[in-house]
Amino acid sequence: DAGVIQSPRHEVTEMGQEVTLRCKPISGHNSLFWYRQTMMRGLELLIYFNNNVPIDDSGMPEDRFSAKMPNASFSTLKIQPSEPRDSAVYFCASSLGGAAVFFGSGTQLSVL
Amino acid sequence: KNEVEQSPQNLTAQEGEFITINCSYSVGISALHWLQQHPGGGIVSLFMLSSGKKKHGRLIATINIQEKHSSLHITASHPRDSAVYICAVSGSRLTFGEGTQLTVNP
Repeated sequence: DAGVIQSPRHEVTEMGQEVTLRCKPISGHNSLFWYRQTMMRGLELLIYFNNNVPIDDSGMPEDRFSAKMPNASFSTLKIQPSEPRDSAVYFCASSLGGAAVFFGSGTQLSVL
Repeated sequence: KNEVEQSPQNLTAQEGEFITINCSYSVGISALHWLQQHPGGGIVSLFMLSSGKKKHGRLIATINIQEKHSSLHITASHPRDSAVYICAVSGSRLTFGEGTQLTVNP
């Protein structure tokens, strides 16, 4: 298995632009997580899905952030409009029924 | 007080030394995870455990549910072990410790 696949690896954009991050979980996994990592706050859970349904989105910073999981093999995290303070590494992870969590390589987002 | 606390925050060791990183948590959990994040940023899951002890190569993880405490041990440490080690607990969601920056010098 190729593991959790995220794209793009790096994204540089200007303030106000829409940013879409993509994630393909490991086949068969039924839980998907979006995390954000910054120097100031470390790793933070943004949202997680179970069987494609959002279970806990209390970590989503504000309405500018939205996440979807239209099917078991794909999820997106969208920021619109983006702001410089959104600059961070965004990780997607997946697991099967509370077992070990596997992380993607992350997307380094820079909002100028 | 953080729900998950790790110690030490920073650790420098000489190659070959035995290393211990500790994790204490204050919430009910279904499992505890040890993660490794390399300087390049990628995160790797090392262990998931809910009781007892697990071993993989030179790495050993233990957990004491009653004391709400886990330790990650590295035997015969090597410079390539240099990374950030993160403890995370899963209840309704994953909650992370702040990580331990380990540097192993040759």
